[in-house]
Amino acid sequence: NAGVTQTPKFRILKIGQSMTLQCTQDMNHNYMYWYRQDPGMGLKLIYYSVGAGITDKGEVPNGYNVSRSTTEDFPLRLELAAPSQTSVYFCAGGGAYSNQPQHFGDGTRLSIL
Amino acid sequence: DQQVKQNSPSLSVQEGRISILNCDYTNSMFDYFLWYKKYPAEGPTFLISISSIKDKNEDGRFTVFLNKSAKHLSLHIVPSQPGDSAVYFCAATPDNYGQNFVFGPGTRLSVLP
Repeated sequence: NAGVTQTPKFRILKIGQSMTLQCTQDMNHNYMYWYRQDPGMGLKLIYYSVGAGITDKGEVPNGYNVSRSTTEDFPLRLELAAPSQTSVYFCAGGGAYSNQPQHFGDGTRLSIL
Repeated sequence: DQQVKQNSPSLSVQEGRISILNCDYTNSMFDYFLWYKKYPAEGPTFLISISSIKDKNEDGRFTVFLNKSAKHLSLHIVPSQPGDSAVYFCAATPDNYGQNFVFGPGTRLSVLP
């Protein structure tokens, strides 16, 4: 079972560059999420989606964009990379209810230099 | 202001003894709580959850206790094993529908053989 797959695992970007973090899932989750985790902090929600074609902002959306054209894929786009976006990014999938735990990918470690 | 706090960044326990990880929250509207475990270079994985209508939930070696009046929950691991060494995140949500979780910063547990 692949579950939730994130690519790449590591990336170094220069300030001002752009990139897309890929996330795909084969668990048929309607809900999908992007989080970032900074050192010593909990996961903070960037964007989420409740289904194909529907996305919404989380707690820290500035500097990011998402799209959800299919149930399986939920890419996260950084348009103008800034040092403050250096972080570990996690994608997750889940159900609609709180008692349906989210399933996480293994993360993308992104450094902006 | 952190709504979910895990005041111990790290904890060391001898193999076979009890591990107690603590979590405090400030939002009285939080209604559902989860614990996730995270190994290095992997995404968080769901461990155990509890609804606010309960004060205890058990799953094998793992028990979560909830004290709503004190806005405090704890995770007990008995007996602790070296494979339990990981970072443990507490998460809370006020919603039964939708997954608007707030994560704590995590506690790194080391179980010493």
